[in-house]
Amino acid sequence: DAKTTQPPSMDCAEGRAANLPCNHSTISGNEYVYWYRQIHSQGPQYIIHGLKNNETNEMASLIITEDRKSSTLILPHATLRDTAVYYCIAAPPGSNYKLTFGKGTLLTVNP
Amino acid sequence: GAGVSQSPSNKVTEKGKDVELRCDPISGHTALYWYRQSLGQGLEFLIYFQGNSAPDKSGLPSDRFSAERTGGSVSTLTIQRTQQEDSAVYLCASAQLGRLAGGGPYEQYFGPGTRLTVT
Repeated sequence: DAKTTQPPSMDCAEGRAANLPCNHSTISGNEYVYWYRQIHSQGPQYIIHGLKNNETNEMASLIITEDRKSSTLILPHATLRDTAVYYCIAAPPGSNYKLTFGKGTLLTVNP
Repeated sequence: GAGVSQSPSNKVTEKGKDVELRCDPISGHTALYWYRQSLGQGLEFLIYFQGNSAPDKSGLPSDRFSAERTGGSVSTLTIQRTQQEDSAVYLCASAQLGRLAGGGPYEQYFGPGTRLTVT
């Protein structure tokens, strides 16, 4: 599986957009990019996934660069409840989809 | 609907004892995963079940760890002769495969975890 690199921590002001970067420079053509988050003392929660195109859902937007070597998760209007560890994962089909979680980015949303 | 449930939520055991952790996946989900998360670390894959196929046990750290899934639903993770380094949060996830090209899931749904402390 492609290794992903994320900053260990970021801060964001409440109501502002949070932009979380992820580097996956060794990603292969069939690997999807998944984002999950883990709020303190809870299990991880799926946010969004993408292959090549930018994606948007009710939680977030995912921007994948054209060369697919990096991506950015955007929370358009961060709230205090978005404070969590955010994990970026690259997973190929045929791997049984077992997700390899790194240490992620601790996003702290400040009032 | 009901999500993934796990029991117990907390378990304290003495070194050397055996423990069983239970996972009830979302009804109809064919895939079930076990992960563990040690303090301050990311999630570590342990084992994967998919339907009637042989489980992927590639993540189990030692032969003290085993898991089974009965009737394609409930799963039990057993740790024999527990050691202090087994202390972690054990997370279960389920997924409905086949939604992505290539058969993968859009997402895995995680339970709240079982916090295991070995004293």
